[in-house]
Amino acid sequence: SAVISQKPSRDICQRGTSLTIQCQVDSQVTMMFWYRQQPGQSLTLIATANQGSEATYESGFVIDKFPISRPNLTFSTLTVSNMSPEDSSIYLCSVEVQLAGTIYFGEGSWLTVV
Amino acid sequence: GQQVMQIPQYQHVQEGEDFTTYCNSSTTLSNIQWYKQRPGGHPVFLIQLVKSGEVKKQKRLTFQFGEAKKNSSLHITATQTTDVGTYFCAGWYGQNFVFGPGTRLSVLP
Repeated sequence: SAVISQKPSRDICQRGTSLTIQCQVDSQVTMMFWYRQQPGQSLTLIATANQGSEATYESGFVIDKFPISRPNLTFSTLTVSNMSPEDSSIYLCSVEVQLAGTIYFGEGSWLTVV
Repeated sequence: GQQVMQIPQYQHVQEGEDFTTYCNSSTTLSNIQWYKQRPGGHPVFLIQLVKSGEVKKQKRLTFQFGEAKKNSSLHITATQTTDVGTYFCAGWYGQNFVFGPGTRLSVLP
């Protein structure tokens, strides 16, 4: 398994501002992902964070709104830009421990935009 | 596109009753994984099934992977209040790991 630390764990943000979420893993992993979970919903993949190159975004998510960095194999950040109340969600960092294997999640960052 | 369905969406049971959630994929999966998310928590990995027809048990939980590797089930025997939460199945579609909508389980004491 992997130990994944996310911060902040929770935040209340003003409309129009941006927030960066950090994800730290206790071991080197190839694949890191960012998911969003809106209240009462399932998990939706935002993007795959690629080490040393631009993230791969899913349909409906764009780099300008959700810029992602992955400077090394243990760390990634997701920024939620120009937030609106619709961005109020849980944002989850996850890693794949082995190829096509198990996905483990961080504890999530609960964002409320007011 | 790839699609993962789960039924039921919600299930309310009396403590001690059994519970089953079903997961169906639009395409064949190389493996399927199950997660549990407690209220206010994050998804926690439960198990991975790889082989056609595979059955795995974890105490009161029984997981099954269909012969065609397109469906799966999770059965809980004699539910307890600690089983409360949402159970998600998920699978790999190419490079994407896709989650089902989940089944939310409530257990009445």
